[in-house]
Amino acid sequence: AQSVTQPDIHITVSEGASLELRCNYSYGATPYLFWYVQSPGQGLQLLLKYFSGDTLVQGIKGFEAEFKRSQSSFNLRKPSVHWSDAAEYFCAVGGPHNTNAGKSTFGDGTTLTVKP
Amino acid sequence: GAVVSQHPSWVICKSGTSVKIECRSLDFQATTMFWYRQFPKQSLMLMATSNEGSKATYEQGVEKDKFLINHASLTLSTLTVTSAHPEDSSFYICSARSPGDTSGANVLTFGAGSRLTVL
Repeated sequence: AQSVTQPDIHITVSEGASLELRCNYSYGATPYLFWYVQSPGQGLQLLLKYFSGDTLVQGIKGFEAEFKRSQSSFNLRKPSVHWSDAAEYFCAVGGPHNTNAGKSTFGDGTTLTVKP
Repeated sequence: GAVVSQHPSWVICKSGTSVKIECRSLDFQATTMFWYRQFPKQSLMLMATSNEGSKATYEQGVEKDKFLINHASLTLSTLTVTSAHPEDSSFYICSARSPGDTSGANVLTFGAGSRLTVL
């Protein structure tokens, strides 16, 4: 069965500092990996995704993530955090859409707080 | 880009009544939509997969008679919480597979969610 672990429940960083949010996954084949962001009371917005190819993927809002197969990880990074980045971040893993694995499994989320 | 509209965004109802939540794909067709439930500070729990023109597929442990899903058109799926009770209070979110994605995965566009409070 596929699963996602986000080890950090809550992270606080100062504005302008760098950020790394951790994500570890379990999946039987090459996974489809996603990072989503959720602002309070809102749905989720896709930040970036990885399917194949270059293991470093760029997303919106200056975010990037690196797929490391050997570590089963897909950590999210941003070089300089802005106050508006404060939100809940979810990592998700899935498979082809026409299979049962296509129903993405989400991690428990990491709450990001940004200090002024 | 693709937009999924969810309505209402907030609803309060009395215990024992039924509440309908709509999920619409704007400017694109969604043959499949997903319904999730999210508790405070927790992840999304997939409740069911809504399929246009056929019965929804419910996840294990989700009461299909409690949570009625109807996907009558290519742009609309509805979730009806029947005989709602306080324990049904939650944040309900829908999503649809983003149009134009050729990756083969379920790249999802989410609605903004609906907060249900049952008194």
